[in-house]
Amino acid sequence: GEDVEQSLFLSVREGDSSVINCTYTDSSSTYLYWYKQEPGAGLQLLTYIFSNMDMKQDQRLTVLLNKKDKHLSLRIADTQTGDSAIYFCAEAHSGTYKYIFGTGTRLKVLA
Amino acid sequence: DTEVTQTPKHLVMGMTNKKSLKCEQHMGHRAMYWYKQKAKKPPELMFVYSYEKLSINESVPSRFSPECPNSSLLNLHLHALQPEDSALYLCASSQDHQEGYEQYFGPGTRLTVT
Repeated sequence: GEDVEQSLFLSVREGDSSVINCTYTDSSSTYLYWYKQEPGAGLQLLTYIFSNMDMKQDQRLTVLLNKKDKHLSLRIADTQTGDSAIYFCAEAHSGTYKYIFGTGTRLKVLA
Repeated sequence: DTEVTQTPKHLVMGMTNKKSLKCEQHMGHRAMYWYKQKAKKPPELMFVYSYEKLSINESVPSRFSPECPNSSLLNLHLHALQPEDSALYLCASSQDHQEGYEQYFGPGTRLTVT
């Protein structure tokens, strides 16, 4: 199918690292994004990566991109209870405005 | 400032009502979007406005009518909705509608149709 796939659920202990994975659909996608959505709220842009990069680090967040496998991951270091939320990856296809969102991963951080 | 505001936060309406959702941004963005999000699902694009003109309608039923009065405001007029239209409606904006410009989302309006 054409879905951008994410695992549904991830549970980690406070202070551990979290890794959220995303398999996207189009090898020509030029921008890939990570958004966070807390309950009852909108989507908060966390970070993004351009397709000519393999890795991007921003404070506790590390994004890894494997273009060959069309695999994107978001690592959150020192995960806190405030990181509990749903995380969506999104790809922007070359030449279009349109985001294709992943199915979302619910991260639960245990104290 | 990367804030997109939406009003109201919650809305309950009957199937014969007419109501409007409002969205505002003051980031100078020239593209604005309406999304619909059902529970536990990703957002689905409804409309895109670029430079105050409707550029994309993702085959949305005519009971949803968007309007962009100026570059900072986006409305969604609702009429004769169905219970299955109950969802979180998200507004977003970006500097331009071309690829590479990240979209910033508002907090959403939780709509319930009775």
